[in-house]
Amino acid sequence: SQQGEEDPQALSIQEGENATMNCSYKTSINNLQWYRQNSGRGLVHLILIRSNEREKHSGRLRVTLDTSKKSSSLLITASRAADTASYFCATDEGSARQLTFGSGTQLTVLP
Amino acid sequence: DAMVIQNPRYQVTQFGKPVTLSCSQTLNHNVMYWYQQKSSQAPKLLFHYYDKDFNNEADTPDNFQSRRPNTSFCFLDIRSPGLGDAAMYLCATSRGGIDQPQHFGDGTRLSIL
Repeated sequence: SQQGEEDPQALSIQEGENATMNCSYKTSINNLQWYRQNSGRGLVHLILIRSNEREKHSGRLRVTLDTSKKSSSLLITASRAADTASYFCATDEGSARQLTFGSGTQLTVLP
Repeated sequence: DAMVIQNPRYQVTQFGKPVTLSCSQTLNHNVMYWYQQKSSQAPKLLFHYYDKDFNNEADTPDNFQSRRPNTSFCFLDIRSPGLGDAAMYLCATSRGGIDQPQHFGDGTRLSIL
């Protein structure tokens, strides 16, 4: 079953602008991860945030987690054309030893 | 560099003709995963190995089998591919535990004629 749902499905911005993607999930989680996928390639892990954390940074990435709203957001600041990709959130399902991926946000950064 | 390698990148097979996809890793991770990803969709977990312990997802068709002869290699066998099995197949590894990042190969795109 699909746990995370991303919003928006597609996002198009100009280079230099910030991009925000949101992920909502339905049940309690232990951690939430964000991945990037360039066209025709595998997924690349970006960041992991645990349920007891509210915010995490990695370079130009900022991830927030609101467990009361069962949602997370990924902010990419000062976007570049090379950030064009699909972005997926993924959650664990409690006792299950697996990740369930959301449907993804297709980000296009225009030069 | 340590990595996950999938071969081939593109595979074409005929309807009903068995096909095997391969994955190797130099990360020495104990967990290996196979995902199916159809166009513009999320990756869907088919099965995973935790060391030699095989874990099949409940909705993975019987048509799909997997082998892991050693830590480094894992194979996906599709016994009788149907048109609906055309997809990107992604292999991933992790150092155990659901709180560890997964490292993906670049996938094999499977086409069915």
